[in-house]
Amino acid sequence: GENVEQHPSTLSVQEGDSAVIKCTYSDSASNYFPWYKQELGKRPQLIIDIRSNVGEKKDQRIAVTLNKTAKHFSLHITETQPEDSAVYFCAAHSGGSNYKLTFGKGTLLTVNP
Amino acid sequence: DAGVIQSPRHEVTEMGQEVTLRCKPISGHNSLFWYRQTMMRGLELLIYFNNNVPIDDSGMPEDRFSAKMPNASFSTLKIQPSEPRDSAVYFCASSVDRANNEQFFGPGTRLTVL
Repeated sequence: GENVEQHPSTLSVQEGDSAVIKCTYSDSASNYFPWYKQELGKRPQLIIDIRSNVGEKKDQRIAVTLNKTAKHFSLHITETQPEDSAVYFCAAHSGGSNYKLTFGKGTLLTVNP
Repeated sequence: DAGVIQSPRHEVTEMGQEVTLRCKPISGHNSLFWYRQTMMRGLELLIYFNNNVPIDDSGMPEDRFSAKMPNASFSTLKIQPSEPRDSAVYFCASSVDRANNEQFFGPGTRLTVL
């Protein structure tokens, strides 16, 4: 089955700096890669996603890149703000006959004012 | 739309008791997912349904866990008998279909088994 590795597990940055979170996946058939943000005590919520037919996608301060050859994808947050502090999860969606999301272990991002 | 609804939001029970968690997916969504979240194991998929039919239950820990979806607007996850290691947050999520679409998570049920 799919295996998703996420790094780092914790990340602390100063307000205004950039943050990068990286994930690798094992199943070359995976074709959809969402990122979820989970604030303390809340539910995971989708912030951005990318499909395997594109290499990069941006939405304001958030961007995601995908390298299918290397089987890795990354989340980039620019001009970080204290409200960006949360746990971020990457996930890979297997294609073929097994349609399910496999999540990484999460990255606790702390943005210090 | 009210989003995915889960009940109860918190459950405290004693070891050996039966626990039933409930979920109402977003109207019109055909796929429903049950996840368990713990610090040690992260977010794990337990089971998912498509058009009310269980498709993959390989994540269900053991026979003490069972899930049903009797109709398109309701699902249950049952643990019988419960054990302290079942303590976790259980999320239900739904999506339009199972192929590459955003999963919307419910608020979760925080289960504590004493």
